[in-house]
Amino acid sequence: QKEVEQNSGPLSVPEGAIASLNCTYSDRGSQSFFWYRQYSGKSPELIMSIYSNGDKEDGRFTAQLNKASQYVSLLIRDSQPSDSATYLCAVKGTGRRALTFGSGTRLQVQP
Amino acid sequence: DGGITQSPKYLFRKEGQNVTLSCEQNLNHDAMYWYRQDPGQGLRLIYYSQIVNDFQKGDIAEGYSVSREKKESFPLTVTSAQKNPTAFYLCASSDVVDTEAFFGQGTRLTVV
Repeated sequence: QKEVEQNSGPLSVPEGAIASLNCTYSDRGSQSFFWYRQYSGKSPELIMSIYSNGDKEDGRFTAQLNKASQYVSLLIRDSQPSDSATYLCAVKGTGRRALTFGSGTRLQVQP
Repeated sequence: DGGITQSPKYLFRKEGQNVTLSCEQNLNHDAMYWYRQDPGQGLRLIYYSQIVNDFQKGDIAEGYSVSREKKESFPLTVTSAQKNPTAFYLCASSDVVDTEAFFGQGTRLTVV
């Protein structure tokens, strides 16, 4: 079992729709969770961090964390073609002093 | 302008050569990391350092070496022992190990 799992996609949504990206993790003691956006050929860019159960909103982005289910998600409202990228979920697990990344979900927003 | 600078952006290595990738940060971050990314894959941890003169192996350290002589700098050497070095190498830093990590622009290494 991978430590951090994501559906590779591509996830295709029409412009203006809500994109929902999901991530599960295996280390029940994990405390810190991050979403990065990576455009093709570029380095990852941090877009959201979440540490507590529940929702955290920042503009069009909402991160959701459910530690009991070991599940973290990212919602992108009013999706734009410029949101088309790969979204990486990253988790800091117990006893590990660096982030563990999922393999990413490729999002395509159709104009 | 605060940030993380990796150089070079592109690097070509001949078989049997060692090459060193540079990573410098002016964010005053304590922790620095090296990750490797292969096409269509996530990031895999090579080495990380929480403090000057200290570093730990990550998941795929074989064939790589690092040093941390200054807080600002964390160079990565890809040795000839690394049999498949062609990849995108990413350096990151964070304030303390529990907070967000920020990335440099990456170095794309190709074996020729």
